[in-house]
Amino acid sequence: KNQVEQSPQSLIILEGKNCTLQCNYTVSPFSNLRWYKQDTGRGPVSLTIMTFSENTKSNGRYTATLDADTKQSSLHITASQLSDSASYICVVSAGYNTDKLIFGTGTRLQVFP
Amino acid sequence: DTEVTQTPKHLVMGMTNKKSLKCEQHMGHRAMYWYKQKAKKPPELMFVYSYEKLSINESVPSRFSPECPNSSLLNLHLHALQPEDSALYLCASSQVPGLREYEQYFGPGTRLTVT
Repeated sequence: KNQVEQSPQSLIILEGKNCTLQCNYTVSPFSNLRWYKQDTGRGPVSLTIMTFSENTKSNGRYTATLDADTKQSSLHITASQLSDSASYICVVSAGYNTDKLIFGTGTRLQVFP
Repeated sequence: DTEVTQTPKHLVMGMTNKKSLKCEQHMGHRAMYWYKQKAKKPPELMFVYSYEKLSINESVPSRFSPECPNSSLLNLHLHALQPEDSALYLCASSQVPGLREYEQYFGPGTRLTVT
């Protein structure tokens, strides 16, 4: 069964600190992995998209890594800001030409001053 | 312009009402999606339109009726909903059907409450 699991479920950090969110997936065939940021009550916003051949991808203070062998991905946030408070969702595409995405349940990040 | 707009932002309706959600994009995208999202859960795919034709219906009850009048517009018609249908309804679009490595752009959502 295709699954995407994320950890931790929730995380609290102080402003300015770094943090790393984890994503493990059992999806076949694997095509690409996406990280989204979703503010409460808003639509998700794409942070990165990585194919199996990419190990690292950055978008400002966000850096995603992918290990296709172990089927793990991480999202590292550097120098966190209050505006980083949101849910971060790991999403995997099962197949190269599919509109169906496998969503993780997300990590709820809260950044406090 | 990388924006997907949705109206209304909030909607409260009774179980006997008929209402519609609207989604619009002007990016020339040829794939459009409806998702349903309950609190603290990930989005669940409902429908996909590819080149204005319905390509995926994830066994959604018939009280939800999608419509794609043209390549920029996507509607979701609602009729005889149940309280458990209360959720955030998200519209999304992508350059081509099948996603591949293309971005999927989400709208801000419509918060629906069924009373």
